[in-house]
Amino acid sequence: DARVTQTPRDKVTEMGQEVTMRCQPILGHNTVFWYRQTMMQGLELLAYFRNRAPLDDSGMPKDRFSAEMPDATLATLKIQPSEPRDSAVYFCASGGFDGELFFGEGSRLTVL
Amino acid sequence: DQQVKQNSPSLSVQEGRISILNCDYTNSMFDYFLWYKKYPAEGPTFLISISSIKDKNEDGRFTVFLNKSAKHLSLHIVPSQPGDSAVYFCAASFQGGSEKLVFGKGTKLTVNP
Repeated sequence: DARVTQTPRDKVTEMGQEVTMRCQPILGHNTVFWYRQTMMQGLELLAYFRNRAPLDDSGMPKDRFSAEMPDATLATLKIQPSEPRDSAVYFCASGGFDGELFFGEGSRLTVL
Repeated sequence: DQQVKQNSPSLSVQEGRISILNCDYTNSMFDYFLWYKKYPAEGPTFLISISSIKDKNEDGRFTVFLNKSAKHLSLHIVPSQPGDSAVYFCAASFQGGSEKLVFGKGTKLTVNP
C-alpha cells in the first residue's frame, strides 16, 4: 500500500529553534509538494519539486524556510529560526503524471 | 489574492439529502479541477476531478459540474451520508494537472443523521 510518509507527526518547539520536517514520497512519483494548512489561508503551497529540481518556492519565507530533495526518496522542509506564526500543519504530497496528488498525514508544528 | 475561492466555510445537511459545495476561480488558464476530502488528523485525499473540456464528471454518489463561462464548479453528493462529514477542498491546476495545485480554503460539510 503505497503512501507518503511524513515525520514527525507532531512537533512542539520554542521560538528560535530549528525545525526539520521530512517526507518520503511514493516510489516512482516525480513531483513533490510542501503545503501548509492554516485556518486563515487554507492549504497554501510552499514549494514543489519535479525530478528533484525545485520549480517553485515563491510561497516560502526565504529568510527562514528552505526545502530540499537530497535524493528521490527524501524531501525536507527546514525552518530556522522558527517563530510562533509558523505554527500550522505541514503536508507533503507526491504525484505522478496524471495530476492526482497523494498527501501524507501531515506534521503538526507548534512554536511556543 | 485567492485564485480559488470557496466562499462557504461550512455546510450542514440531513442524511439522504443532496450536498452541494461550490467553488469559484479567477484564472481562466486553469484547465484541470479537483476535489479533495479531508478528515481530522489526516491528509487530504483525492475525490474526483474534471478537465476543462468537460462540463460534468460523475463517480458514484459524487458529481462535479464545471461552468467555464462563470468560472464556477460544484460538487454534488447524493445521497449524503454521515461518513461524508469532512472538509472539502477545491483545487485547480494548469496543463492538465501536471503543474501545481492551487487550493481553496475548504468547506466543512456536516451530514446529520
